[in-house]
Amino acid sequence: QQPVQSPQAVILREGEDAVINCSSSKALYSVHWYRQKHGEAPVFLMILLKGGEQKGHDKISASFNEKKQQSSLYLTASQLSYSGTYFCGTETYDTDKLIFGTGTRLQVFP
Amino acid sequence: SQTIHQWPATLVQPVGSPLSLECTVEGTSNPNLYWYRQAAGRGLQLLFYSVGIGQISSEVPQNLSASRPQDRQFILSSKKLLLSDSGFYLCAWRGGTSTDTQYFGPGTRLTVL
Repeated sequence: QQPVQSPQAVILREGEDAVINCSSSKALYSVHWYRQKHGEAPVFLMILLKGGEQKGHDKISASFNEKKQQSSLYLTASQLSYSGTYFCGTETYDTDKLIFGTGTRLQVFP
Repeated sequence: SQTIHQWPATLVQPVGSPLSLECTVEGTSNPNLYWYRQAAGRGLQLLFYSVGIGQISSEVPQNLSASRPQDRQFILSSKKLLLSDSGFYLCAWRGGTSTDTQYFGPGTRLTVL
């Protein structure tokens, strides 16, 4: 079952923050976050496995709630290079495949 | 380190023609392999996945098929292409443990005319 991402699109100025959410109706085994630039393949950002986990590098971080049905991606002090479409890929306990959300298009302007 | 290759990078085919896209992975053994399709401006649709040689799971009924003749080779095929088959085809691999993430190949952009 496809996870729901929100918002569908975000427009930012450099230095502003954004939050992208990914929700599932089922408990998830893991959540994987990717960023895709136009015309390119998605690039892996991070994976979350444990309820309550928070993870990050540089100014991009993510959390996985205790019930393991929602994850959020946090982008702080956005840079032009953050522009792209962000996808969450979710995995349930009964499968070994990732199902991706509909994506969130992020545009950062100077 | 692991590397994933896809070819061709771009392809233009007439309606009704056959299709063969190839994906190979280097630097790992017994990976899980996946084919996704992305229509223009849309999300990632899982088409097929494989956990081993000759083992193929189909996610979407359509005129496409997949095969895994070797451990690190995954092939996507069609006997007769439709206009709706146009899109960006992405192969991905994942290690065999549950904590592994999934990595995408560079993709093949297919245009059916």
